[in-house]
Amino acid sequence: AQKITQTQPGMFVQEKEAVTLDCTYDTSDPSYGLFWYKQPSSGEMIFLIYQGSYDQQNATEGRYSLNFQKARKSANLVISASQLGDSAMYFCAMREGGRSILTGGGNKLTFGTGTQLKVEL
Amino acid sequence: DARVTQTPRHKVTEMGQEVTMRCQPILGHNTVFWYRQTMMQGLELLAYFRNRAPLDDSGMPKDRFSAEMPDATLATLKIQPSEPRDSAVYFCASGFSGGYNEQFFGPGTRLTVL
Repeated sequence: AQKITQTQPGMFVQEKEAVTLDCTYDTSDPSYGLFWYKQPSSGEMIFLIYQGSYDQQNATEGRYSLNFQKARKSANLVISASQLGDSAMYFCAMREGGRSILTGGGNKLTFGTGTQLKVEL
Repeated sequence: DARVTQTPRHKVTEMGQEVTMRCQPILGHNTVFWYRQTMMQGLELLAYFRNRAPLDDSGMPKDRFSAEMPDATLATLKIQPSEPRDSAVYFCASGFSGGYNEQFFGPGTRLTVL
């Protein structure tokens, strides 16, 4: 079974509009973290936002917010006020923490297949 | 500005040749990951190290791939012999297991095996 599912291979959005990129996950580990990375055409992987399984509030970073619905096991990325520079591939990823929630950045990530976002004028 | 560095950025080689990719993690990070990205398989973990010890290399073809950390500032990924199906982008990432969440990715090595 897929641990991270991104069902939208491609999305289009008008500049200045908001867009939601979907991500669902599957884990039985009570301690986990969810990440979103952006990969522009240049190829680098850029960290956008993180949500921990014990976090009470949805994470926000500037124009990025994570709509975390734990019961539904979804962690959708919302980009507000889209810009042309947001055109890129977006990956959702999960880190399972094991017994300790203090493993932080020291555990491997499992990635989804990505969503290609195109921002149009 | 701390960054993960990878060399070479691009490598074109012929089938059967040895390929060595290098990674310098961010100073102070104790965990290093090797990921491979292809169109067919997406991003997949090959191996990772914590405090220079290998923790998981189950994603790596053992007969031809090897990963090492000779010291805390250098991680290597070797393919010998290389095959066309190894053509991919290989990313190194580093992180810190002490509660800090983000993994920082290097720019990747784009490998083409002819």
